[in-house]
Amino acid sequence: AQSVTQPDIHITVSEGASLELRCNYSYGATPYLFWYVQSPGQGLQLLLKYFSGDTLVQGIKGFEAEFKRSQSSFNLRKPSVHWSDAAEYFCAVGAEGTGRRALTFGSGTRLQVQP
Amino acid sequence: DAGVTQSPTHLIKTRGQHVTLRCSPISGHKSVSWYQQVLGQGPQFIFQYYEKEERGRGNFPDRFSARQFPNYSSELNVNALLLGDSALYLCASSLMPGEGYTFGSGTRLTVV
Repeated sequence: AQSVTQPDIHITVSEGASLELRCNYSYGATPYLFWYVQSPGQGLQLLLKYFSGDTLVQGIKGFEAEFKRSQSSFNLRKPSVHWSDAAEYFCAVGAEGTGRRALTFGSGTRLQVQP
Repeated sequence: DAGVTQSPTHLIKTRGQHVTLRCSPISGHKSVSWYQQVLGQGPQFIFQYYEKEERGRGNFPDRFSARQFPNYSSELNVNALLLGDSALYLCASSLMPGEGYTFGSGTRLTVV
């Protein structure tokens, strides 16, 4: 069965510093990969997605992610973090057995931004 | 354009009761999915509907059921509520299954 691991439960960075959030997946075929962000009490907002093609994916709010098949990773990056980026970030993979229709989410990484 | 709308936003129910949650997808979106997010965890897939047919079901008991209407809105029903059903229930819509999903703000269900 597919799975997603986000090794970092909580990360704190200073405003203006660079950010990398890690995501590792287990999936038998070519995965559909997603990054979502969730502010407190809110739903999920799609940051970016990877289906195929260029392994470096650009998203909204200045985020990007790189798909590395050899490492089964899809890490999220941002060159300069803003205080408004503080939120919970979820990596997700399209699940096998449902035509990749169902998403399997990681447990999330909470980002705190220090002034 | 309105995003994915869910109602109610908050709900308190007693153990053993039944609950119905509602979702209206983005206009033009024909696929609706339901997810359960327990506090401190990532969302878990419950159901997906496309063109009014169930296209996927997660590992949830039969107490959970759903349906999609001709206007593509959807209901999630949970019978015989347990304390463990307390969670944020998220609805997501997309043009077609497998595309990037747009999530609503969710319904916070508390079972007491």
